[in-house]
Amino acid sequence: QKEVEQDPGPLSVPEGAIVSLNCTYSNSAFQYFMWYRQYSRKGPELLMYTYSSGNKEDGRFTAQVDKSSKYISLFIRDSQPSDSATYLCAMGGDGAGGTSYGKLTFGQGTILTVHP
Amino acid sequence: DVKVTQSSRYLVKRTGEKVFLECVQDMDHENMFWYRQDPGLGLRLIYFSYDVKMKEKGDIPEGYSVSREKKERFSLILESASTNQTSMYLCASRSPRVPTEAFFGQGTRLTVV
Repeated sequence: QKEVEQDPGPLSVPEGAIVSLNCTYSNSAFQYFMWYRQYSRKGPELLMYTYSSGNKEDGRFTAQVDKSSKYISLFIRDSQPSDSATYLCAMGGDGAGGTSYGKLTFGQGTILTVHP
Repeated sequence: DVKVTQSSRYLVKRTGEKVFLECVQDMDHENMFWYRQDPGLGLRLIYFSYDVKMKEKGDIPEGYSVSREKKERFSLILESASTNQTSMYLCASRSPRVPTEAFFGQGTRLTVV
């Protein structure tokens, strides 16, 4: 079993839709959780991060972490064609509990297309 | 504006060649990483470096080595390129004081023929 599993998609939604992107993980020692966005022919860029369970909002984006269920989500409201990209969840720890200090573990990525 | 620069966007090499992929960052970051990205597999860690001259194997180090002689530069070496090393290679750097934010280069698309 992979440490991090991400819904593979691809997802295709109309402009204005609410998008939900999801990852599950197996190692309860992960301490911080991130979402990266990668446009075609570019490297990934950090979109949001959080250390704790609960919701964190940034404009149209909400990151949700449920440590008890080992589940994280990214919600995009009022999706735009410019949101079309690959979204990658990532996680890391401080070296305890089987995590490796310094290592970020990524999900497989979900390709999102928002069509006008 | 922070920057991680990879030396080539596209490379085509022959089987058996020794290949060098170079990465330079201008943020004085201690941590640097090499990933490869393949469809359906996401980003897989090849090697990472805590600091100058320090390195650790990632999940898929076989067939690769690295060099970090200066803080700003992290090189990935394919000792004898094989067709199964055809992939997108991504370099990243990060400050250990801000572990949540890794900065990535634009990637090198390597094709081994």
